[in-house]
Amino acid sequence: KAGVTQTPRYLIKTRGQQVTLSCSPISGHRSVSWYQQTPGQGLQFLFEYFSETQRNKGNFPGRFSGRQFSNSRSEMNVSTLELGDSALYLCASSPDRVNEQFFGPGTRLTVL
Amino acid sequence: AQSVTQLGSHVSVSEGALVLLRCNYSSSVPPYLFWYVQYPNQGLQLLLKYTSAATLVKGINGFEAEFKKSETSFHLTKPSAHMSDAAEYFCAVSDPSGTYKYIFGTGTRLKVLA
Repeated sequence: KAGVTQTPRYLIKTRGQQVTLSCSPISGHRSVSWYQQTPGQGLQFLFEYFSETQRNKGNFPGRFSGRQFSNSRSEMNVSTLELGDSALYLCASSPDRVNEQFFGPGTRLTVL
Repeated sequence: AQSVTQLGSHVSVSEGALVLLRCNYSSSVPPYLFWYVQYPNQGLQLLLKYTSAATLVKGINGFEAEFKKSETSFHLTKPSAHMSDAAEYFCAVSDPSGTYKYIFGTGTRLKVLA
């Protein structure tokens, strides 16, 4: 089975712009979670989707949003980018709520 | 509310020495516990998991962890460190009776000295 894929792998944007990141989960996995990883804050949970519904949400401002499609692929969007949004964004998929999460390689976002 | 504490943001061991990475959790219900490893510029890879079965859990690459309810701990060990073990390790907790939200620890960077 192919693993979790994330596109793009690297992205450079300027302040005020918006960005969309994509995640394709492992085939058959219905749960997709997103995390932000920075040296100062570590791994922080953004949100989780299951069968196109957002089930859990972390403590991030409304500029961060996401969605999941019927094929379980997920996108997250960040609007009005700030310098502090520079981070590695990780996507993880799971077949259900019980089992472990499988992580993609991440998208490295740099905001200038 | 759940939480995870990893003691020691940086740990150094000599090659061949015992690796011990500490993780303590706080949860009002028996949790699921995980250890993940992250190599530079990569995502996280599952090392092992505890889901209320055997308290001593064996994982990949010779790692194991023991769930100790009385100490609310889930420390990761490996008898003999290898240079390839140098990476960052994350402990995570999930509440199987509630939101199932994963909470990650702040990570421990392991350095292996030749």
